[in-house]
Amino acid sequence: GDSVTQTEGLVTLTEGLPVMLNCTYQSTYSPFLFWYVQHLNEAPKLLLKSFTDNKRPEHQGFHATLHKSSSSFHLQKSSAQLSDSALYYCALSPPSSGSWQLIFGSGTQLTVMP
Amino acid sequence: NAGVIQTPRHKVTGKGQEATLWCEPISGHSAVFWYRQTIVQGLEFLTYFRNQAPIDDSGMPKERFSAQMPNQSHSTLKIQSTQPQDSAVYLCASSSPTEVFFGKGTRLTVV
Repeated sequence: GDSVTQTEGLVTLTEGLPVMLNCTYQSTYSPFLFWYVQHLNEAPKLLLKSFTDNKRPEHQGFHATLHKSSSSFHLQKSSAQLSDSALYYCALSPPSSGSWQLIFGSGTQLTVMP
Repeated sequence: NAGVIQTPRHKVTGKGQEATLWCEPISGHSAVFWYRQTIVQGLEFLTYFRNQAPIDDSGMPKERFSAQMPNQSHSTLKIQSTQPQDSAVYLCASSSPTEVFFGKGTRLTVV
């Protein structure tokens, strides 16, 4: 079945350093890939979504590139900010689902230190 | 637009009691999803409805969990005979044609 793997459970880094959170996936078909961000006691919110035309999605300084050859959709940002501290989920939606049914990875808790 | 509304935000039940969680999706959204969030398992899919009809409940524990969507403005998740392992944050989401929006969740604690 379809699945998403996030290898880092916890990432801690210093403000100003680059961020890279890993995401790989397995799917029978070409799924849509997403990154969601969840701040403490808040709802998960969509951060990025892959495009079918291979454009690189960007939002709030974050970007991710879908690499079908390696089944990856890593999240990157050039310079971390304190406000980036949150829980990040990578997710996929199989095109066969007929809706935006999401399969999530286990999540990566990002902590940015001053 | 108040977003997806979930009530209550926190619920404490005794072991063996019943818990009912409520969700009001965003008006006009045709799909409603339920997820369970724990530190160990992350976000797990439970069930979803499209146009109020149940489509996929493959993530639901069969014996004690049930979900309904009696009208387009609300859905309920009911857990009978709650157990300590049911303690989690239960998230409801609804989707437009382009995006899924989540509520803040109901934190269920079974003592």
